[in-house]
Amino acid sequence: EVQLVQSGAEVKKPGESLKISCKTSGYSFISYWIAWVRQMPGKGLEWMGMIYPGDSDTRYSPSFQGQVTISADKSFSTAFLQWSSLKASDTAMYYCARLTGDGAFSIWGQGTMVTVSS
Amino acid sequence: DIQMTQSPSTLSASVGDRVTITCRASQSVSNWLAWYQRKPGKAPKLLIYKASSLESGVPSRFSGSGSGTEFTLTISSLQADDFATYYCQQYNSFSVTFGQGTRLEIK
Repeated sequence: EVQLVQSGAEVKKPGESLKISCKTSGYSFISYWIAWVRQMPGKGLEWMGMIYPGDSDTRYSPSFQGQVTISADKSFSTAFLQWSSLKASDTAMYYCARLTGDGAFSIWGQGTMVTVSS
Repeated sequence: DIQMTQSPSTLSASVGDRVTITCRASQSVSNWLAWYQRKPGKAPKLLIYKASSLESGVPSRFSGSGSGTEFTLTISSLQADDFATYYCQQYNSFSVTFGQGTRLEIK
């Protein structure tokens, strides 16, 4: 069974760093793009960017370029999303999702809630 | 960036109704268009991919159509379980955009 299991909820202060994870199983990790999607409270879905673990090709939405870093560790079949300096506006639910060859996200993680508050 | 615009933003309907949600792209995305259902506290669920292909396990009352810049999601006979928020999503040249969502409410 294909699964994406995300790390647990985080509560951080502004200015702190954070790295959340998305552990995959049940398929060839290096063969599919893994994306990160944000949903701020009461708002819609926003694509942040994605990584192809096979060659580490990474694409970012212009809205998130320079704000976050997406990476992957092939040894652990895990993708990551990280911030170097969190802001209160980073408070949101973050999902990882696997992109199919048909350009859709068929498998999603359960989500990681990130709360940034002083 | 390709912009995706859904209409309406909110839709009130009753069980048994036929409903249609529209998604327009700011430029052609061919048929690289997907639809998702999202319920509170749950991850989005893929319903339709490639504009009109039904994802495995999704009830046949859901259907999608369109190509280029205009797409529709139709639910032929609403069930109680269908009240949720629906999103369209395009994929083009290693870039993705979601529509702003359509909230389907019970009338």
